[in-house]
Amino acid sequence: AQSVTQPDIHITVSEGASLELRCNYSYGATPYLFWYVQSPGQGLQLLLKYFSGDTLVQGIKGFEAEFKRSQSSFNLRKPSVHWSDAAEYFCAVGAQGNQFYFGTGTSLTVIP
Amino acid sequence: NAGVTQTPKFQVLKTGQSMTLQCAQDMNHNSMYWYRQDPGMGLRLIYYSASEGTTDKGEVPNGYNVSRLNKREFSLRLESAAPSQTSVYFCASSLRLAGTYNEQFFGPGTRLTVL
Repeated sequence: AQSVTQPDIHITVSEGASLELRCNYSYGATPYLFWYVQSPGQGLQLLLKYFSGDTLVQGIKGFEAEFKRSQSSFNLRKPSVHWSDAAEYFCAVGAQGNQFYFGTGTSLTVIP
Repeated sequence: NAGVTQTPKFQVLKTGQSMTLQCAQDMNHNSMYWYRQDPGMGLRLIYYSASEGTTDKGEVPNGYNVSRLNKREFSLRLESAAPSQTSVYFCASSLRLAGTYNEQFFGPGTRLTVL
């Protein structure tokens, strides 16, 4: 069965520090992977996606993610975090029937 | 181009009352989805409609019904609301093409409280 695990429920970083949010997936076929961001009281916005090809994908707002098949991971990174990055981040995998399976999310707090 | 719109934004119901959450998209997408979001549980799929005229159950369909009214609109109905249905409900849509998984676009959500 498909599943997505985000091991970190909450992360706190200082503004200007680097960030890595972890995502592990379980899927039998080639995964289609996504990262979404949700600001308080808002819907979800797509940050980036991986379908195939280059394993390092660039997204909006300076985010990138690296797909590692051997580790079943798709970790999200940003070299320098801004206060406006404080939000909840969700990893998702696309599955049969165009369904998505979401992780439980990682809440990011940015300290000035 | 409004994207995905949902009405209402907020709703308070008493146990046993019914209501319908409305969702519309103007992106000519063929697939539409209803999720609920609860603290610590991420988003869970309630129902989805892969194309106009079809609907299928997701992970947590009990207590809900859906109608794909046309290509643009996908409604979610609670026939007899229960406190366990207190949640934030999100509608999403995507352009489903054979052999691929396009990103889903989300509405702003409906915050529902059942007393």
